[in-house]
Amino acid sequence: GAGVSQSPSNKVTEKGKDVELRCDPISGHTALYWYRQSLGQGLEFLIYFQGNSAPDKSGLPSDRFSAERTGGSVSTLTIQRTQQEDSAVYLCASSLRAGGGNNEKLFFGSGTQLSVL
Amino acid sequence: RKEVEQDPGPFNVPEGATVAFNCTYSNSASQSFFWYRQDCRKEPKLLMSVYSSGNEDGRFTAQLNRASQYISLLIRDSKLSDSATYLCVVGGAGGSYIPTFGRGTSLIVHP
Repeated sequence: GAGVSQSPSNKVTEKGKDVELRCDPISGHTALYWYRQSLGQGLEFLIYFQGNSAPDKSGLPSDRFSAERTGGSVSTLTIQRTQQEDSAVYLCASSLRAGGGNNEKLFFGSGTQLSVL
Repeated sequence: RKEVEQDPGPFNVPEGATVAFNCTYSNSASQSFFWYRQDCRKEPKLLMSVYSSGNEDGRFTAQLNRASQYISLLIRDSKLSDSATYLCVVGGAGGSYIPTFGRGTSLIVHP
């Protein structure tokens, strides 16, 4: 497909379990972003990858959150020991490349709805 | 002060009305500006970029005022299908390539 693909679309887990969320960006896009959105809230930045550079992890809320991007393409966001406050929609976006201007146009996947019981 | 601020609304307007939203940003070094649209329980989608000279796309007009650090979105001849949340996005400041999203302005267009 031509768009950003995320899986799973829905994930229900028990408190304390680990979860992995996957993002497959648009082919050729070098920048990849993870955001999360709680119900009725705005988008909260989590982490950003640009090419082979070290990721910007400044938005990760705790050390339970981590992300990888393998081969400059697919990314996995891992949340360890999930808590109820982690419940949100996790959105992945990619852009052609970062650096300002139209290159920063973000294309979003449809998100993963995470529910921690 | 939040980096990107928007009036959450909701703005309730009749079909055919003209409605305008503003968004203010705090970082004067910001270089890129966008409006995104988000429908209920859907992902945000790019509506339009905002250029320094202002730009228009059909019924939608975007303006940038760098001196006062705000951007605006004007929607003319509102349609029912325009009902959504409109997100202001600002980025590209000082080497930071992380687009920052406002919390959005809710628009409800009624018959």
